[in-house]
Amino acid sequence: QKEVEQNSGPLSVPEGAIASLNCTYSDRGSQSFFWYRQYSGKSPELIMSIYSNGDKEDGRFTAQLNKASQYVSLLIRDSQPSDSATYLCAVGIYGGATNKLIFGTGTLLAVQP
Amino acid sequence: DAGVIQSPRHEVTEMGQEVTLRCKPISGHNSLFWYRQTMMRGLELLIYFNNNVPIDDSGMPEDRFSAKMPNASFSTLKIQPSEPRDSAVYFCASTPRGGNQPQHFGDGTRLSIL
Repeated sequence: QKEVEQNSGPLSVPEGAIASLNCTYSDRGSQSFFWYRQYSGKSPELIMSIYSNGDKEDGRFTAQLNKASQYVSLLIRDSQPSDSATYLCAVGIYGGATNKLIFGTGTLLAVQP
Repeated sequence: DAGVIQSPRHEVTEMGQEVTLRCKPISGHNSLFWYRQTMMRGLELLIYFNNNVPIDDSGMPEDRFSAKMPNASFSTLKIQPSEPRDSAVYFCASTPRGGNQPQHFGDGTRLSIL
């Protein structure tokens, strides 16, 4: 079982719709969760961090975390063609000298104009 | 503020040559990470350092790969000898020490081994 799992997509949504991206993780002790956006040929860019159960909103983005279900999601409201990119879910692994992120393989989002 | 700086941006070389990739982390960040990204395998962690000390190099694929961090502002990833299957985008990232912190990525080095 992979430590962080995402559906590779592509997830296709029409412009203006809500895009829902999902991620599950295996380590119950994980405490920090991140969403990165990666445009083709570019580096991953941090868009959201979440540490507590519930929702966290930032503009058109909402991150949702459910530690009991080991599930984290990203909602993008009013999707725009410029949101078309690969979205990477990352889970923090910490303890002693360990401080690293485990990345999922990413979900490709295509917003259709 | 300057972000993570990587050089070169692109590298094309022949099989068997030595390749050296360079990274300057964000000032004040104590942890530095080297990743490799390919279509087939996604983003793979190769090695990371805390306070210039290598913590986990289990992702380094072979002895042909080595990494150093001689000081807090500079790290290198070296491949010797290089092979075509090493062709990938190599990213460097840094983060403040202390846990629960996101990583900030450089622009990457696109490496092609002919």
